[in-house]
Amino acid sequence: EAQVTQNPRYLITVTGKKLTVTCSQNMNHEYMSWYRQDPGLGLRQIYYSMNVEVTDKGDVPEGYKVSRKEKRNFPLILESPSPNQTSLYFCASSPLELFTQYFGPGTRLTVL
Amino acid sequence: AQTVTQSQPEMSVQEAETVTLSCTYDTSENNYYLFWYKQPPSRQMILVIRQEAYKQQNATENRFSVNFQKAAKSFSLKISDSQLGDTAMYFCAFNTGFQKLVFGTGTRLLVSP
Repeated sequence: EAQVTQNPRYLITVTGKKLTVTCSQNMNHEYMSWYRQDPGLGLRQIYYSMNVEVTDKGDVPEGYKVSRKEKRNFPLILESPSPNQTSLYFCASSPLELFTQYFGPGTRLTVL
Repeated sequence: AQTVTQSQPEMSVQEAETVTLSCTYDTSENNYYLFWYKQPPSRQMILVIRQEAYKQQNATENRFSVNFQKAAKSFSLKISDSQLGDTAMYFCAFNTGFQKLVFGTGTRLLVSP
């Protein structure tokens, strides 16, 4: 089944404890992206990647890191999480020729 | 700045009726893509329909259709024969390439029996 997977789906952590949210797609898509969703704000882009080893900042990159060492994986790293990073996070991927992004199931992160 | 505005925070409709969700956007680009995504209570983001700005014909997917007015920068979603499973948050979004998908703040749709 063609899909984007994220792990974990739910995470509660404490301020300052480094964490990684994994994202993987099995559709051989070149483009991948991370978004966060907050009430009343819609979805906002954190980082995106056009291909392996090519990443760039979105609208809200502060406090986040990403890497793209393999085409299928695009992990989101929070080096020192803070409570304002409590949010619902989505990973998405797209083939370059379609300009259409397909989303993973989301990761609910709570930082205490 | 590129923005998307959904002016209806909440809407309700009865089963089998038709409902239209509004969306306006602002961009100086001429080529772009428009989308409606559905987010049910499961929180999954599901693509409902897409429209290429260079196409004049309005996109249709089963019970879902759009009214795309390029000059007015308007992109409304019509849901015909509403079903209980259509209850969800609906997001309008557009992009001009791969740099960014810009989302509106969403419209919560409730379909009642």
